[in-house]
Amino acid sequence: NAGVTQTPKFRVLKTGQSMTLLCAQDMNHEYMYWYRQDPGMGLRLIHYSVGEGTTAKGEVPDGYNVSRLKKQNFLLGLESAAPSQTSVYFCASTKQGREDTQYFGPGTRLTVL
Amino acid sequence: AQSVTQLDSQVPVFEEAPVELRCNYSSSVSVYLFWYVQYPNQGLQLLLKYLSGSTLVKGINGFEAEFNKSQTSFHLRKPSVHISDTAEYFCAVSDLLTGYSTLTFGKGTMLLVSP
Repeated sequence: NAGVTQTPKFRVLKTGQSMTLLCAQDMNHEYMYWYRQDPGMGLRLIHYSVGEGTTAKGEVPDGYNVSRLKKQNFLLGLESAAPSQTSVYFCASTKQGREDTQYFGPGTRLTVL
Repeated sequence: AQSVTQLDSQVPVFEEAPVELRCNYSSSVSVYLFWYVQYPNQGLQLLLKYLSGSTLVKGINGFEAEFNKSQTSFHLRKPSVHISDTAEYFCAVSDLLTGYSTLTFGKGTMLLVSP
């Protein structure tokens, strides 16, 4: 039982390049989330999904797109990376409901030059 | 809209001393409250949560927190800290009205335990 895994762990991009971050969970959770963590800012929600085939915007969605084609996977895409997207990205999942614990992946450290 | 304020960005403390990390929230409706911990270079993991019932909640690693509705606070405490408690601690809130199961996080408090 791996929990929540993220691929890749590190990535360096040039401005304007695109990439996709992959999040996978093996706990059969309905809800999945993408956050970004910046120094002194805490975690901010980018997008989330309440089930396969559904996505919704969070607090800071601009410049990102997401897809949830399979229940266990949640992809975060950057179409044209900008230096402001340099951050640590965390994926999380939860079974269902506000009272449930969110389980986090180990993070992806992205640098955009 | 809900918000979370963690009043201290850093809390230095000596080993075996008690510690309190402060958290205040703002919401016009009932809330669920959480504390998560992030050890260096890792993801977050749940310390404890308040859903309902007793206002004193016990979590892992000897931590506890008290929900105070009148002061809209959820402070985290530990009577005696260890070096291994050095980490960043995040308070989070989920209100029972808006949207789906999303959390709003505070900006975090770095707990620095020295010998």
